[in-house]
Amino acid sequence: AQKVTQAQTEISVVEKEDVTLDCVYETRDTTYYLFWYKQPPSGELVFLIRRNSFDEQNEISGRYSWNFQKSTSSFNFTITASQVVDSAVYFCALSERRTSYGKLTFGQGTILTVHP
Amino acid sequence: NAGVTQTPKFRVLKTGQSMTLLCAQDMNHEYMYWYRQDPGMGLRLIHYSVGEGTTAKGEVPDGYNVSRLKKQNFLLGLESAAPSQTSVYFCASGTGGGYNEQFFGPGTRLTVL
Repeated sequence: AQKVTQAQTEISVVEKEDVTLDCVYETRDTTYYLFWYKQPPSGELVFLIRRNSFDEQNEISGRYSWNFQKSTSSFNFTITASQVVDSAVYFCALSERRTSYGKLTFGQGTILTVHP
Repeated sequence: NAGVTQTPKFRVLKTGQSMTLLCAQDMNHEYMYWYRQDPGMGLRLIHYSVGEGTTAKGEVPDGYNVSRLKKQNFLLGLESAAPSQTSVYFCASGTGGGYNEQFFGPGTRLTVL
């Protein structure tokens, strides 16, 4: 069965600090996909990134970067020089190829608060 | 394009009442999903549909029914609401397959007293 664990329930940082959100996953499938979503205080879910299991290259997008390591089943998300607007709940999610209907299994979410 | 819309945005029910949540998408997606979000539990899949006229159970289907009579609409019904169904409900649509990005609606906050 697929499972996603985000062990950090809440993180609080001061603006301009770097912060890393951890995500550990479990799956028996050899082909799978990992996602990060952001949920700002307004409540909507915003797609941030998708990564497939064959692509272990790290990715950087502005202040955001993602570190995918199959050896440790982790897909961590780092925000560099955090800003107040980064305050949100962040979800990591997993989808397996064999479940062709694209079911997403979400982690519990990490509440990030960035103080000015 | 409106993307994925949900109606209503907020609702308060009494135990035992029934209601229907409506989800509509204008992206011509085959796949649609209903999730519920509860504190500390992330989002969990209630039901999903892989095309018009089809529905299937997800992770937490008990107490809910769904229908997909039209491709663009996915309805979630609560026949006899219970306090345990107090939650935020999200609808999503996508192209299917594990790689598909799911597009989410704005959510419906439901309180059952």
